[in-house]
Amino acid sequence: KQEVTQIPAALSVPEGENLVLNCSFTDSAIYNLQWFRQDPGKGLTSLLLIQSSQREQTSGRLNASLDKSSGRSTLYIAASQPGDSATYLCAALSNFGNEKLTFGTGTRLTIIP
Amino acid sequence: EAGVAQSPRYKIIEKRQSVAFWCNPISGHATLYWYQQILGQGPKLLIQFQNNGVVDDSQLPKDRFSAERLKGVDSTLKIQPAKLEDSAVYLCASSLGGGDRVHYGQPQHFGDGTRLSIL
Repeated sequence: KQEVTQIPAALSVPEGENLVLNCSFTDSAIYNLQWFRQDPGKGLTSLLLIQSSQREQTSGRLNASLDKSSGRSTLYIAASQPGDSATYLCAALSNFGNEKLTFGTGTRLTIIP
Repeated sequence: EAGVAQSPRYKIIEKRQSVAFWCNPISGHATLYWYQQILGQGPKLLIQFQNNGVVDDSQLPKDRFSAERLKGVDSTLKIQPAKLEDSAVYLCASSLGGGDRVHYGQPQHFGDGTRLSIL
């Protein structure tokens, strides 16, 4: 059974700093891994999706990496802004079966102006 | 492209009452998901439909929860009777995935959810 962990549960950094969010998973037989953003009272917005054959994906100031062998993914945010404050969730998609996403518990990020 | 629509946005009921949530997925998306997200946790899959059929309902508390997807489009999730531990946000998501390998792993698109409070 896949388990996804995100540490820390909360993180506060001053505006302008670069930061890294961590995600680990127990079963390396994944099809892809997604990073989502969740604002208070809102649903999930997909940020980046990394296929199992890829090492990283980039979108603007965001860069996500994937290391299947170690069961880890990171989300790097460059030059953080107050608008980046949100909860960030990672989710692993199994390599077979019913396209089931297993989510981590998220990291609540606060950017201090 | 219109996103996933859910209603209502908020619902407050007393325990043992019943409640229903509605979801309209993105047009053309074959797969629809209902998730339960308890405060401070990640979403947990309750049920997954592909077109009209149920693909996975292994974590749906079937003694009190039910869901249907008529005509392979809209879906409703019902709780009857509600318990205090059902307080959560109920998220609906949809994806292009149709059970074939070609569409496997397509991104899931989420609605804004329904926040349910049980008194």
